[in-house]
Amino acid sequence: TQLLEQSPQFLSIQEGENLTVYCNSSSVFSSLQWYRQEPGEGPVLLVTVVTGGEVKKLKRLTFQFGDARKDSSLHITAAQPGDTGLYLCAGAGGNKLVFGAGTILRVKS
Amino acid sequence: ETGVTQTPRHLVMGMTNKKSLKCEQHLGHNAMYWYKQSAKKPLELMFVYSLEERVENNSVPSRFSPECPNSSHLFLHLHTLQPEDSALYLCASSQDWVAGSSSPLHFGNGTRLTVT
Repeated sequence: TQLLEQSPQFLSIQEGENLTVYCNSSSVFSSLQWYRQEPGEGPVLLVTVVTGGEVKKLKRLTFQFGDARKDSSLHITAAQPGDTGLYLCAGAGGNKLVFGAGTILRVKS
Repeated sequence: ETGVTQTPRHLVMGMTNKKSLKCEQHLGHNAMYWYKQSAKKPLELMFVYSLEERVENNSVPSRFSPECPNSSHLFLHLHTLQPEDSALYLCASSQDWVAGSSSPLHFGNGTRLTVT
């Protein structure tokens, strides 16, 4: 069974701080997606990483796929209240897409 | 209207009721999905339809019955549910479905279901 563990489960920070959230597995994935889910809404895709070691940037968000394609990280620089939400990673491998339980991020102004 | 629309947004039902959740996608996608989201748990895939044909059923209890009359609409019929079925039910679509693929999912805003 493929599992994705996300850490931390919950993170509360002040506006302007930097943070990193992690998505780890013992399984290899062909690709990995990151979604953000705001309260009362469905998840929205932020990025897909495909190649081991790949780094993608989306404004203040930096996504990295591990060299072995078993883990990924999301780094946010100078967090803003609008970054508040549930961050989900999802790995594609085997015959299905596997989701992690998510990291709840709260950015206080 | 664009995207994936789910109705109702909130639903409270007793264990003996029968209700249905509706999902409509305006993206021209060929695959549609039902997911269950419970607090602090990973999203659980329930059903997948590709070109109106069910392609995946992840050991979901028979009290949940999906229906896909066309590629734009998906229903989840509910009957004799249990309190532990209370959760957020998310519908999603993707351009195509290939087992284990990374096709981006477009989610609706979900139906918050409470079973009393």
